[in-house]
Amino acid sequence: QSALTQPASVSASPGQSITISCTGTSSDIGTYNYVSWYQQLPDKAPKLVIFDVSDRPSGVSNRFSGSKSGNTASLTISGLRAEDEANYFCSSHTTSATVVFGGGTKLTVL
Amino acid sequence: QVQLVQSGAEVKKPGASVKVSCKASGYTFSNYWISWVRQSPGQGLEWMGSVSAHDGGIRSAQKLQGRVFMTTDTSRRTANLELRSLISEDTAVYYCARGLKSFDSWGQGTLVRVSS
Repeated sequence: QSALTQPASVSASPGQSITISCTGTSSDIGTYNYVSWYQQLPDKAPKLVIFDVSDRPSGVSNRFSGSKSGNTASLTISGLRAEDEANYFCSSHTTSATVVFGGGTKLTVL
Repeated sequence: QVQLVQSGAEVKKPGASVKVSCKASGYTFSNYWISWVRQSPGQGLEWMGSVSAHDGGIRSAQKLQGRVFMTTDTSRRTANLELRSLISEDTAVYYCARGLKSFDSWGQGTLVRVSS
């Protein structure tokens, strides 16, 4: 199972919005609405910010939103803040009953 | 609150085995799967497998089959990961996480270093 494809890095200024893409195949993102997004701060464990494509766990800011079209999922962060600077990983359930992650995207808040 | 606390760092020689434990609290342990995810230095996340705390059901990554073993002990509310025949590429931080298709709580991570 190949990893999902994410851009290596994105950057924007505080207050702006960014979108991170996550491209898979018909064996994962294209078949299931089980896409999740994780935020990982340096030397910390990942934190779930979006599950089931577009649902937010309790306590996660509504500045985080998710969507999906075909084999590609997206994470949008609006009203960027310095504290959003982190690595972001997507994941998806697969037709092999496994989970596959994306390679990660480093978000820099300028 | 949900908490997963993992065992401490390990240093192992190539060919050896390592065991990592993950003690859960703050929820009904048997109602959830526990998954294991590892992260090599400076790299991304890799799903290793998942184990059901309800019935011991297993799902694992094909590349690790035959080397990875996952169990749960409901009386101790603990999940265990054993990785055998270690190679240098197994050097990573190993995380346990609650869930099967998404992971809503994570352990603090356990560094496993494989070095001769």
